[in-house]
Amino acid sequence: SAVISQKPSRDICQRGTSLTIQCQVDSQVTMMFWYRQQPGQSLTLIATANQGSEATYESGFVIDKFPISRPNLTFSTLTVSNMSPEDSSIYLCSVDGIRGRETQYFGPGTRLLVL
Amino acid sequence: DAKTTQPPSMDCAEGRAANLPCNHSTISGNEYVYWYRQIHSQGPQYIIHGLKNNETNEMASLIITEDRKSSTLILPHATLRDTAVYYCIVRVDYHGQNFVFGPGTRLSVLP
Repeated sequence: SAVISQKPSRDICQRGTSLTIQCQVDSQVTMMFWYRQQPGQSLTLIATANQGSEATYESGFVIDKFPISRPNLTFSTLTVSNMSPEDSSIYLCSVDGIRGRETQYFGPGTRLLVL
Repeated sequence: DAKTTQPPSMDCAEGRAANLPCNHSTISGNEYVYWYRQIHSQGPQYIIHGLKNNETNEMASLIITEDRKSSTLILPHATLRDTAVYYCIVRVDYHGQNFVFGPGTRLSVLP
């Protein structure tokens, strides 16, 4: 399986500020995904990030609120902008296509609390 | 929306087999059945996947009915560390297709 790390692992932020979450993979991957998991809920896809192109956002998520960068094949960032308490969630990145396997591997998640 | 239906919760005695059912009556011919689990506060962990044949690996077995409308994940000897939320997902097996997570089944392994 892939080794996927996320930074920070957790953070407590003030309303109105922004937080950038990093996702690092130990091998090159084509597709990276960002998910949100609100308290007590299942995972919801935020966007899909390809290297060299703009991210594709799911309904209900916009680039101004969740800008994503994908500068190379092993790294991506998700920024949660102008945060409110409703943004308190676990944010997870996942990758597809590791070593030819058609499955996704998930990072450990970033637990965000907005006060 | 998720294409699968799972019971919201199940209990299993430690050391016994845990059998987790999943209904996917609208599955298409090119869609695979995937199982993931999420232990509290961790990212989802891949368990197993299959198309139509039964599959087994070091973690679990996957039994898919002949009509492919349902499946069962079997943990042969459940331990306390298997307590988690288990997600059954159907997805076309090619790169770039995201997973749609339903609410899953919360499995509690009891001592």
